[in-house]
Amino acid sequence: IQLTQSPSSLSASIGDRVTITCRASQGISSALAWYQQISGRAPKLLIYDASRLESGVPSRFSGSRSGTDFTLTISSLQPEDFATYYCQQFNSYPITFGQGTRLDIK
Amino acid sequence: QVQLVQSGAEAKRPGASVKVSCKTSGYTFTGYYIHWVRQAPGQGLEWMGWFNPKNIGTKYAQKFQGRVTMSRDMSTSTVSMELSRLRSDDTAVYYCARVGCSSSSCHLYYMDVWGKGTTVTVSS
Repeated sequence: IQLTQSPSSLSASIGDRVTITCRASQGISSALAWYQQISGRAPKLLIYDASRLESGVPSRFSGSRSGTDFTLTISSLQPEDFATYYCQQFNSYPITFGQGTRLDIK
Repeated sequence: QVQLVQSGAEAKRPGASVKVSCKTSGYTFTGYYIHWVRQAPGQGLEWMGWFNPKNIGTKYAQKFQGRVTMSRDMSTSTVSMELSRLRSDDTAVYYCARVGCSSSSCHLYYMDVWGKGTTVTVSS
């Protein structure tokens, strides 16, 4: 299953609302997770089952699903949110990730 | 707290093998699958396979079949991943990651805790 993220990169300002999309090449139900990766560090789980917020993750992060389109929204960007974001499907093997969306400061 | 502590960086020649370890703590070792994911320099995340510490079951991505072996050491709650016949394009950071649920059916799942990664460099 191919996951296509858009955009590949994005520039935004502190306080902006940002949306990242992940489109699956076929149906995956809600078996999708979102991760944040700050440069040089391990990925961190943000959202699982398309819309469930991982414990300890700020509520400005949210996820949603519409068919095979999935969205990660950051409601009000904070300095620590500038990172690369990946989606991952766990509906079927092989487990696959999107190519990533790099979010940097405008 | 739950921790996955990985072994240190490795430098290998093409054709050699590398073994990366992932020492777990803070939870029941046999209760959770461990996945391995790698990331080449400047690239995205690539799933390699999983290991079940309870029954030493494995599932490997087709790309790595025949070259990867995952194992455990029960005495130290450690899972290891060995990759053989290394090539230059195996240069990457290798991560271990625990799945997000403890059922025996939770192999195909998201990953809630990750190790910090082990850099493997393959160069002649």
